[in-house]
Amino acid sequence: GQQVMQIPQYQHVQEGEDFTTYCNSSTTLSNIQWYKQRPGGHPVFLIQLVKSGEVKKQKRLTFQFGEAKKNSSLHITATQTTDVGTYFCAGTSSNTGKLIFGQGTTLQVKP
Amino acid sequence: NAGVTQTPKFRILKIGQSMTLQCTQDMNHNYMYWYRQDPGMGLKLIYYSVGAGITDKGEVPNGYNVSRSTTEDFPLRLELAAPSQTSVYFCASSFTPGGGSPLHFGNGTRLTVT
Repeated sequence: GQQVMQIPQYQHVQEGEDFTTYCNSSTTLSNIQWYKQRPGGHPVFLIQLVKSGEVKKQKRLTFQFGEAKKNSSLHITATQTTDVGTYFCAGTSSNTGKLIFGQGTTLQVKP
Repeated sequence: NAGVTQTPKFRILKIGQSMTLQCTQDMNHNYMYWYRQDPGMGLKLIYYSVGAGITDKGEVPNGYNVSRSTTEDFPLRLELAAPSQTSVYFCASSFTPGGGSPLHFGNGTRLTVT
C-alpha cells in the first residue's frame, strides 16, 4: 500500500542551528500537510501545500512541495527551544484520496 | 470554542475489560477520525466517519468499534482489551475529507492495558 516515509526519525541540534525533515511518498500526492506535536500534546496543524514546487514560509519555518508531488520538506532556521517536538507530514494519495501520516521526526534542541 | 474534546485523559484497563473513549466536536464537521499513536510509528487510522450514521474501517480496525449517531459525537469502543491496545488515542475532525482541510485533534487518551 501507499507509504509516506519521513526522515530522520530523531534529530538533536544545538540552539541556533538549522533543522530539516524530509517526507517521501511512494505515490503522487494531491496535497501535503504538516503538523507539530509538542511532548505530551496533540498534533497541531501547521500548513498545507497543494501546488507542484510550492514553497511557503511561516517566520523561521520553510515548507516545500516537490515538483513531482511525491516529496516535501520542512526547514527550520536558527532553531529555538520552543521548536522542540515531533513534526509529522501527512499526504493525500492522488489515487485513493486517503490521508497517510509519516512516522514523524522528533526534534530536540539543546540550549 | 472547545474544538474536539476527548475523555478520559488517562485510563488503565485489565486484559479482557471493555471501555468507551468519548469524542465530541462543536465545529459542525462531518468528517471524524480515530487514530492511535505508538512510539516511533506515527498515527494509524482506526476508524473514520463521513457523517452521522456512516462509519468505515481505517488501517487498524481490529478490536475496535465505532458509532456515529450525531454529527458531534464519535465514540470508540474497545471490547476485550489486549496489551497490544496500549497506546495514545486521538480523535480528530475536519471540514472536508482526506487532507483537503486541516485535521483538528483532541488532547488524546492515554490507555494502558495490563
